[in-house]
Amino acid sequence: EPEVTQTPSHQVTQMGQEVILRCVPISNHLYFYWYRQILGQKVEFLVSFYNNEISEKSEIFDDQFSVERPDGSNFTLKIRSTKLEDSAMYFCASRGGLAGGTGEQFFGPGTRLTVL
Amino acid sequence: AQRVTQPEKLLSVFKGAPVELKCNYSYSGSPELFWYVQYSRQRLQLLLRHISRESIKGFTADLNKGETSFHLKKPFAQEEDSAMYYCALRAYNYGQNFVFGPGTRLSVLP
Repeated sequence: EPEVTQTPSHQVTQMGQEVILRCVPISNHLYFYWYRQILGQKVEFLVSFYNNEISEKSEIFDDQFSVERPDGSNFTLKIRSTKLEDSAMYFCASRGGLAGGTGEQFFGPGTRLTVL
Repeated sequence: AQRVTQPEKLLSVFKGAPVELKCNYSYSGSPELFWYVQYSRQRLQLLLRHISRESIKGFTADLNKGETSFHLKKPFAQEEDSAMYYCALRAYNYGQNFVFGPGTRLSVLP
């Protein structure tokens, strides 16, 4: 059964450094998402992406964040200058494109980002 | 504003006992609700959605619009049901992202 994959599983970085988190969504899916979960808190929506552009973004997704689908398979989240409070588990998800559809999103295993 | 609450952070029950995980939502339109489960060291996976009115692994959930609730129930809990359970509301914006509740950790004791 196809799955969403994410790399790396754990990323440690220094404050102020740029990080890129990578995701490979399920191949025929059209909608892509990033969520994050700070330790002990709930899963929060960051951004959705459809038709090669951002469709929605939350207040968390400020100018430090960007997303890209560079080659038709990868879906990346870049944080330009990491802060301590960016430490979290980042989940990628994808969804099929049927109009209306089931709404089910398929989640990757997550990347744990630790900012020191 | 769209919001999901799950009042219990942790719920412990004995094997064979009934279990009910509570979920309430606030949404002005017609909601679409989901339950996702995360077993230890595994990814979030769909358990069930209200639209299909299905029963998965013995779990059911009924949407009650009057009480704005979507509680998850199982008549006889099993040890393998121990996991983190998240209630989610599908946002009716262009991206249709999920709004998640804070989650309830279910612990089924032997």
